[in-house]
Amino acid sequence: EIVLTQSPGTLSLSPGERATLSCRASQSVSSSYLAWYQQKPGQAPRLLIYGASNRATGIPDRFSGSGSGTDFTLTISRLESEDFAVYYCQQYVSSRRTFGQGTKVEIK
Amino acid sequence: EVQLGESGGGLVQPGGSLRLSCAASGFTFSSYAMGWVRQAPGKGLEWVSSISGSGVSTYYTDSVKGRFTISRDNSKNTLYLQMNSLRAEDTAVYYCGKGSEKQQLVYDYWGQGTLVTVSS
Repeated sequence: EIVLTQSPGTLSLSPGERATLSCRASQSVSSSYLAWYQQKPGQAPRLLIYGASNRATGIPDRFSGSGSGTDFTLTISRLESEDFAVYYCQQYVSSRRTFGQGTKVEIK
Repeated sequence: EVQLGESGGGLVQPGGSLRLSCAASGFTFSSYAMGWVRQAPGKGLEWVSSISGSGVSTYYTDSVKGRFTISRDNSKNTLYLQMNSLRAEDTAVYYCGKGSEKQQLVYDYWGQGTLVTVSS
């Protein structure tokens, strides 16, 4: 099973600041089969990024994904109030798909 | 408009069974992979199971193999999760998800979730 480790656990930032979230895999995620989701309290997850760097339909361009192999990054260029949430990475290269434990982006 | 709606959750005793349903509308159901993801109270997301559009291929996380069965009825636009031998650690909100247009292994639409509580 591929284990995904996200860091930091919590990121405290102000609106307008840049957020950089990390996702490290225990083995290579080939073909960049890595996605990012956003989840707000009481809501279902929302797909942000797939294929490591492709924005899903309707996702603002302040969200960007990068990385390959075992190290991946989600960047939010300028935080807006609606971006404060929990973010999860997920690998789908293996039939046993796994999520990271999540990074909470909170208002400082 | 794509809509997914889960039902069938509730309180069940350890060792019991439940069948979750996910009614889909607004897209050609049989053309898309579907899946279930769960979230224990206060915890993160856990992928549970996925099924291909035809229903031929199914996949499970290790902790539910042999206990849960995913299936679909493409004539009824409905996804199912039969859960047997339930354990306390299966307590969670269960979400169904639809495979995305460009990459069916990720989910671009989700239901609102249904709560399963396993307790005596």
